[in-house]
Amino acid sequence: DIQMTQSPSSLSASVGDRVTISCQATQDIRNYLNWYQQKPGKAPKVLIFDASNLETGVPSRFSGSGSGTDFIFTISSLQPEDIATYYCQQYDHFPLTFGQGTRLEIK
Amino acid sequence: QVQLVESGGGVVQPGRSLRLSCAASGFTFSTYTMHWVRQAPDKGLEWVALISYDASNTKYADSVKGRFTISRDNSKNTVYLQMNSLRADDTGVYYCAKDYSTYVMTTVRYWGQGTLVTVSS
Repeated sequence: DIQMTQSPSSLSASVGDRVTISCQATQDIRNYLNWYQQKPGKAPKVLIFDASNLETGVPSRFSGSGSGTDFIFTISSLQPEDIATYYCQQYDHFPLTFGQGTRLEIK
Repeated sequence: QVQLVESGGGVVQPGRSLRLSCAASGFTFSTYTMHWVRQAPDKGLEWVALISYDASNTKYADSVKGRFTISRDNSKNTVYLQMNSLRADDTGVYYCAKDYSTYVMTTVRYWGQGTLVTVSS
């Protein structure tokens, strides 16, 4: 199975900060990577698909980049409503696998 | 809009069975692969299973293979997860989810709100 490793596991930042989360795969997954946001008590929601494409309706402050084994998720200017846990997920090979999550808090 | 409503969760003893259901609406159900994803309490997400649009293809996580069975009824717009030989580590919220594209198996796009399964004696 492909293992997905996110870093950091948790992150504290101030409103307006630029935030980046890394995700690394144990083998080449081309660009078959999604980023999900999960707020407490809610279902996850896809923000980025195919590594760098913004899902419909998602604010443009969210972005993704990368291919192969190394990926980056960025929030260009952190907003209070962005407090959540973020997950990367590969879908190049079954079983689909998720990163362990990055918990984002406001400083 | 896409709606996925899970049901069937509850408290069950180890070794027993439970069947989850997911009623779908707002899209042409019979053309999409459907998934189940779970989340243990205060833990991350774990993909569990998928079934192709026509039920000809199913895939499972190793952790549930041989114990769980995914199925669907396209006439009822419903996908099921039959869970047998339940263990304590099967405890969590189970999400039903819709794939991205018609007629292929890719990944999860839309999620239901989940149903809680608790395996405990």
